[in-house]
Amino acid sequence: QLVESGGGLTQPGRSLRLSCAASGFKFDNYAMHWVRQVPGQGLEWVTGITWNSGLTDYAASVKGRFTIARDNAQNSLYLQMNSLRSEDTAVYFCVKDIFPTLGQGWYFDLWGRGILVTVS
Amino acid sequence: DIQLTQSPSFLSASVGDRVTITCRASQDINNYLAWYQQRPGKAPEVLIYVASTLQSGVPSRFRGSGAATEFTLTISGLQPEDFATYFCQQLKSLPITFGQGTRLEMK
Repeated sequence: QLVESGGGLTQPGRSLRLSCAASGFKFDNYAMHWVRQVPGQGLEWVTGITWNSGLTDYAASVKGRFTIARDNAQNSLYLQMNSLRSEDTAVYFCVKDIFPTLGQGWYFDLWGRGILVTVS
Repeated sequence: DIQLTQSPSFLSASVGDRVTITCRASQDINNYLAWYQQRPGKAPEVLIYVASTLQSGVPSRFRGSGAATEFTLTISGLQPEDFATYFCQQLKSLPITFGQGTRLEMK
């Protein structure tokens, strides 16, 4: 399972760090992602990271402000969010890929329950 | 970036109906397309991957088809638990993108 933490209410311009604790699978075998969703709206892929942190990529909307990282020894995924904006308000999902790499993937097979980040 | 356009955005149907949702990609994505179902308050769950492969445990009334830039999700014989929101997703290239979603409601 995937369990997100670290969300909550913050002000524009501030920072927040999300964490995701993984269990029940071999964490360091898979790429991981963050996907967000404004309540009642669509899904937006935010960022992804390969199994060994060798490659990361970001949506244009967060590039330069957000940083994804992982600690395979701790089975944990992180999202450092800086210079937050009101439009970053969303539920953030920690998501597991079925492959270790990014690009030419098949699907995401495990999602956390999501955690709400409110920037206001 | 590859844009995905889903249609319709909203669909009203009855139990037992057959419905089709379309997802069009702005460029050729081969078959790197997945379909997800999302129920209110829940995380999405994959139904179909690589355009037409049914995920294990998903009922056979769900069918995916298509390639390149045009894809469809068909649900035959709608069941009450199928009324949810459906998203397509392309994983051909980064950034990964989703369609805007199709909300399927009971008539």
